[in-house]
Amino acid sequence: QQQVKQSPQSLIVQKGGISIINCAYENTAFDYFPWYQQFPGKGPALLIAIRPDVSEKKEGRFTISFNKSAKQFSLHIMDSQPGDSATYFCAASHWDRKLIWGLGTSLAVNP
Amino acid sequence: NAGVTQTPKFQVLKTGQSMTLQCAQDMNHEYMSWYRQDPGMGLRLIHYSVGAGITDQGEVPNGYNVSRSTTEDFPLRLLSAAPSQTSVYFCASRSSGLGDEQFFGPGTRLTVL
Repeated sequence: QQQVKQSPQSLIVQKGGISIINCAYENTAFDYFPWYQQFPGKGPALLIAIRPDVSEKKEGRFTISFNKSAKQFSLHIMDSQPGDSATYFCAASHWDRKLIWGLGTSLAVNP
Repeated sequence: NAGVTQTPKFQVLKTGQSMTLQCAQDMNHEYMSWYRQDPGMGLRLIHYSVGAGITDQGEVPNGYNVSRSTTEDFPLRLLSAAPSQTSVYFCASRSSGLGDEQFFGPGTRLTVL
């Protein structure tokens, strides 16, 4: 049973557009929600993370929106660039700090 | 800081062979984990350790062994390789504490024939 559901599986966006990736979770005990970015041939790297006491967190062109009542969170990439082309993973964890991962979204930004 | 290092980068095994994937970190992190990544399956936790001498199973532990004799090293052993273990393996580490960043190694691409 997948506890974190991520969509879409793949996404194509034009340069300058907005990329939006969504995740939904089931366990209300989750209290940490990171997004990781993975380039081909590399390991994942933390991009941005949020805790459920805030509804939004922004770092540069990357924003997490968090909806606690709907048990959903999303990643928005503003002014998407070809260099943002990568696989993005959402995840969640609770007291034991083990990350539960979404299945990933492959993003391609066309120049 | 080298961060998290993994060796080898690539490996081809025959069915039934055994091998050890090496992982080391120089950040004095207590937590270390092994994941496998397969197309469409995301990242699946194999084994993890919360400190030297302490290990536990993750989501897909069968066919793999781990040990943690030092804080720095966390090797993953394949006892008798099977084609189903063809995958990319990632080692990761993080410090203890709420929500600390998990640092990943560059991965080992393993093919079992």
